[in-house]
Order: sequence, then C-alpha cells, then structure tokens
Amino acid sequence: QVQLVQSGAEVKKPGASVKVSCKASGYTFTTYYIHWVRQAPGQGLEWMGCINPNGGGTIYPQKFQGRGTMTKDTSISTAYLELSSLRSDDTAVYYCARGGIGYSYSYGDSWGQGTLVTVSS
Amino acid sequence: QSALTQPPSVSGSPGQSVTISCTGTSSDVGSYNRVSWFQQPPGTAPKLIIYEVTHRPSGVSDRFSGSKSGNTASLTISGLQAEDEADYYCSSYTSSYTWVFGGGTKVTVL
Repeated sequence: QVQLVQSGAEVKKPGASVKVSCKASGYTFTTYYIHWVRQAPGQGLEWMGCINPNGGGTIYPQKFQGRGTMTKDTSISTAYLELSSLRSDDTAVYYCARGGIGYSYSYGDSWGQGTLVTVSS
Repeated sequence: QSALTQPPSVSGSPGQSVTISCTGTSSDVGSYNRVSWFQQPPGTAPKLIIYEVTHRPSGVSDRFSGSKSGNTASLTISGLQAEDEADYYCSSYTSSYTWVFGGGTKVTVL
C-alpha cells in the first residue's frame, strides 16, 4: 500500500534552517508529484509547493519563494523540504502528500504522518 | 493568492444534511474543475474525500458529495453521523499554477 513516512520532530532557533524528509513506498516514486502542506497550531492548512520527483521541477507560492527548497533523492524514494531563516510563525506541523502525475492534478490521496517543527529561542 | 472563503462552522443533528461552501474567484474555483475537499479530525492528517469537484476516492462514504456553481464549490454531508465531526478544507488549483486552501470549516454534530 502507498505509504509516506516523515522524519521526526525538530526544535530550531530563529534564523536557523530545517530539513524535513518524506520517504515514499508502495508505488513508483517518480510517477507522482509530492506536495508539502503545513498547519500552524490551531490554524488551517497552507500549501507550500510541490516537486516533480521525475526531474526535480518545483512550484512554490510567492510566499515561500526564496525561503523554501524542495528536493528529492530518487535512489531512496525520498523527498525533502528545507525552510530557511526560520521565524516563530514557522512553528507548525509539516505534511507531505502524494500528488498526481502533473502539478495541476489533484493531490492528497496519501499523506505523511506530519512533522512538528518548533521555532523557539 | 488569497485563501478560499469557507464558513467557520456548521452544525446539524444526526441524520440531517449539511452543506459547506467554498468561495473563490474566476482565477481558481471558477476556472478549473480541480477542487478537492479534505476531512481532518483533531490530531490527525487530512484525508481526501472529494477530488475534481465531484469524485470520491475509493472507500469514501457516498454520504459525501461535491458540486460547483460559478466561483463557489460545495460539499454536502448527508445523513450526518457523529463520526463526521471534524474540520473540513477545500482546495483549488489556481491560474498561478499553484494550489490554495480555504480557511476550514468545523462541523459539529448536535
């Protein structure tokens, strides 16, 4: 079955960077986009972007351009999200989700368990 | 890209139907049949319940249905059950090649 397993919780200081991983199994990793979504405590969902594991092309909303970086390692079927210059309002649970075969295709038929990133001095 | 607009909360008694609206613009909901709905019980990851406006993934109850008219998409839950208590989010593809969420709606079963 399709499964996405994320790395464990992180605590970072303001200004630092964090890198979250998302290991896929149960399907051909390069066939489907991976999307990243975050949720601050008590808040709604926020789309952070997506990556095409076949080639590495990425799409980010304007808010995360320059601060968020999505990469992949196809040899281990793993996608990564790195967020730099962390601020306290980056404290959130970060989720990866499987996308479609293209960036405009519906996503979210499978989700990772979430990774809590806490930014605190 | 602004978030889609959802009512903060809706409620209903067991067995009733409730409808959640999701209002966007001609740059997102109005132009694409790429509207999804997610259910998120407290402390859990979101679950896809509707994609491409009206389609249900395998295993999702047929009590959930989706529709769209103009710039507004809707999710209807029929035969409301206690297990339906959760937050619900809509999401749409946009003309900027990105995706955007609604603010979320809390469904309460009275």
